[in-house]
Amino acid sequence: DAGVTQSPTHLIKTRGQQVTLRCSPKSGHDTVSWYQQALGQGPQFIFQYYEEEERQRGNFPDRFSGHQFPNYSSELNVNALLLGDSALYLCASSLRTISNQPQHFGDGTRLSIL
Amino acid sequence: AQTVTQSQPEMSVQEAETVTLSCTYDTSESNYYLFWYKQPPSRQMILVIRQEAYKQQNATENRFSVNFQKAAKSFSLKISDSQLGDTAMYFCAFMLTQGGSEKLVFGKGTKLTVNP
Repeated sequence: DAGVTQSPTHLIKTRGQQVTLRCSPKSGHDTVSWYQQALGQGPQFIFQYYEEEERQRGNFPDRFSGHQFPNYSSELNVNALLLGDSALYLCASSLRTISNQPQHFGDGTRLSIL
Repeated sequence: AQTVTQSQPEMSVQEAETVTLSCTYDTSESNYYLFWYKQPPSRQMILVIRQEAYKQQNATENRFSVNFQKAAKSFSLKISDSQLGDTAMYFCAFMLTQGGSEKLVFGKGTKLTVNP
């Protein structure tokens, strides 16, 4: 039973560039949430996708956008990268029809901005 | 505002001893879920235990148990018989539901070190 998988593991970019991070949910899950975890902080909610639409969004600028595909996998895109975007980006999956169930997390993508 | 506060940035405990991590939260909702997640250096966020607010009985999972005080909005985690593998960041989280969508609100975490 495959868990949540994220790629790449680590990414280095420079300011102003664009980046795409990928996530495959746990088998049987249809909902994907993205979190940003800055160094020494708890994860902050970016947005959640199910049925291929963004359903809820945290306090992040429009530079952060996403997509969900018919197979439930998801992408997180960040444009015009800033130094402050350096963080661990975590993807979590769940099953929408069962409320208040724990979200299952991937290992994250470490994004470093130079 | 929905917030989670972990007042202990770092804690340490000797192997085989018991340690308690504190967490308080703020919410206006009456029914909600609380979680403790563990994040070892490998980075993966691992669920430790969860508590449903409408249940008065404190949740227990093997060596891990919680002390849930709903009126005080307190949700502490007790780890008994601490093991070296318990060394990790521990995050308290509150599940917030808005418009049919759920998100986790995390505290800043407590770094726990188990010493041999």
